[in-house]
Amino acid sequence: QITLKESGPTLVKPTQTLTLTCTFSGFSLPTSGVGVGWIRQPPGKALEWLALIYWDDDKVYSPALKSRVTLTRDTSKNQVVLTMTNMDPVDTGTYFCAHTVIWKGYFDYWGQGTLVTVSS
Amino acid sequence: EIVLTQSPGTLSLSPGERATLSCRASQNVTKNYLVWYQQKPGQAPRLLIYGASSRATGIPDRFSGTGSGTDFTLIINRLEPEDFALYFCHQHGASPRTFGQGTKVE
Repeated sequence: QITLKESGPTLVKPTQTLTLTCTFSGFSLPTSGVGVGWIRQPPGKALEWLALIYWDDDKVYSPALKSRVTLTRDTSKNQVVLTMTNMDPVDTGTYFCAHTVIWKGYFDYWGQGTLVTVSS
Repeated sequence: EIVLTQSPGTLSLSPGERATLSCRASQNVTKNYLVWYQQKPGQAPRLLIYGASSRATGIPDRFSGTGSGTDFTLIINRLEPEDFALYFCHQHGASPRTFGQGTKVE
């Protein structure tokens, strides 16, 4: 059974760096074809894809956020870490991580999400 | 980027009725790489349909997806109480991946 769970701060100040961790079970990230992505949802707005990391450590970033977002992984802990710099109130929203397999392409399992508020 | 526009924003129906949700893309969606998700408050999004028309594992057959190119539809036949939720479409054929803004079935 594949599960993912996001964790991290619920409140960050403007200009600070956000660090979120996705801890997963039921799959191994080094397994060929596997990927973990991050998606966010501002309150009342559409989902926005942020980034994706694959089994071979290849990373793909949204062009809109490429300069601010970094993904890293810790395969021993089954974790993927999202770092987003220079946070702004418009970055407020629920952040999700999700599992994919490259030959499917879509996200098939998602975490419940974690709400991050950016405010001074 | 491909913009996905969902309509209507809200669909007010009763149990037993049929729901028809639309997702229109600003450009052709490559190889029909279009999926539909269901989302309930506080829960993880649930994959319903992939490849525009294939039901995901465990999804009841009252859910069906159709369409190709730029026009896609999710149909929910005979609404059950647990089907009242937010639905959104997602294309993963072109980068960046994009999502529709959602249709709430209430």
